[in-house]
Amino acid sequence: EVQLTDSGGGLVQPGGSLKLSCAASGFTFSDSAMNWVRQASGKGLEWIGRIRTKANGYATAYAESVKGRFTISRDDSKNTAYLEMNSLKTDDTAVYYCTTLVVSAPGDHWGQGTLVTVSS
Amino acid sequence: DVVLTQSPLSLPVTLGQPASISCRSSQSLVFSDGKTYLNWYHQRPGQSPRRLIYKVSNRDSGVPDRFSGSGSGTDFTLKINRVEAEDVGVYYCMQGAQWPRTFGQGTKVEIK
Repeated sequence: EVQLTDSGGGLVQPGGSLKLSCAASGFTFSDSAMNWVRQASGKGLEWIGRIRTKANGYATAYAESVKGRFTISRDDSKNTAYLEMNSLKTDDTAVYYCTTLVVSAPGDHWGQGTLVTVSS
Repeated sequence: DVVLTQSPLSLPVTLGQPASISCRSSQSLVFSDGKTYLNWYHQRPGQSPRRLIYKVSNRDSGVPDRFSGSGSGTDFTLKINRVEAEDVGVYYCMQGAQWPRTFGQGTKVEIK
């Protein structure tokens, strides 16, 4: 069974940092690009970034709203993707999902989400 | 960025009746390979999104055949043949033709 388990969320002050993890199982993680999508309470879905596979140079891309503040990485030996968030703002408060976000084939999977609250 | 505009944003439906959601894109979603990358997702309250449809009209495994996707270029539609109680929630379209990936605002489906 495919599983993505998001963790690491919590309460952080504005300007602070947090690192989220996404542990994968049940599929070949190293062959899958990984994305992060967030959702503020009562709002829609916002794609924030992705990391490609080793074969694609672990290339990353980010939404303008987080570029320069967020960094996505992965450890294929641990089947885990990460989202490191710095200089957090109150607008970053949301549930963060890791997802394969596949657009062309079967194999689209989502984590359960982890809540990040940025507040003083 | 590609802007996806869904309509309606709220859709009260009667059980057993059909429902239809529109998704219009600000740009063509035809990629350089000639394929069109438009997905549909369903999100129940308190749950993660689940993909229903990819590449306009391909149903994911386990998705009931009462769901169908259609469209081309910039205009797309998700149809539910006969709405069931489990179909409530918010439906999103998402484009996979360009970076950054973008989603529609969501359409909330509820039972009358």
